[in-house]
Amino acid sequence: AQSVTQPDIHITVSEGASLELRCNYSYGATPYLFWYVQSPGQGLQLLLKYFSGDTLVQGIKGFEAEFKRSQSSFNLRKPSVHWSDAAEYFCAVGLSGGSYIPTFGRGTSLIVHP
Amino acid sequence: DARVTQTPRHKVTEMGQEVTMRCQPILGHNTVFWYRQTMMQGLELLAYFRNRAPLDDSGMPKDRFSAEMPDATLATLKIQPSEPRDSAVYFCASGDLGVNTEAFFGQGTRLTVV
Repeated sequence: AQSVTQPDIHITVSEGASLELRCNYSYGATPYLFWYVQSPGQGLQLLLKYFSGDTLVQGIKGFEAEFKRSQSSFNLRKPSVHWSDAAEYFCAVGLSGGSYIPTFGRGTSLIVHP
Repeated sequence: DARVTQTPRHKVTEMGQEVTMRCQPILGHNTVFWYRQTMMQGLELLAYFRNRAPLDDSGMPKDRFSAEMPDATLATLKIQPSEPRDSAVYFCASGDLGVNTEAFFGQGTRLTVV
């Protein structure tokens, strides 16, 4: 069965600093990988996704993520964090092969200090 | 701007009462998911439908939960009778199965059972 691990429950960064949120997955085949963001009281919004091809994917709001098959990782990065980036971030993995059910990690809460 | 619409946004009910949550998926999407979000368990998949047919509801407590799609524009999640442990945020998401797809989430229904 597929699974996703986000090892950091909370991450605190200063505004303007760089950010990396970690995500590791467990799945035998090539997965579909996603990062979602959830602001308080809101639903989940897709930041970016990886299906195939270039392992460095660009998303909205200046985020990017890199798929590393050898490490079973899909870490999310941003070079300079803004206060408005404070939110909950979820990594998700889906089955490949034309059918998918997104399985989510437990999430990482990002706190941004001024 | 197409979006998934969930009603109600908030619901407070007494233990033992029936609760019905509604979801209008994005027009043309053939897959609908119901997720539950709690602090303890994170995001759990309760059920999902493809082309209105239920494919998997193994995540739902069968004795009290039921999910249906009476037509392509409406999905419902019903709890009868409700219990305090059902207090959570319930998300509906829809997607179009195939390559380059992702789940689009509604804003959720925050359920409190007292």
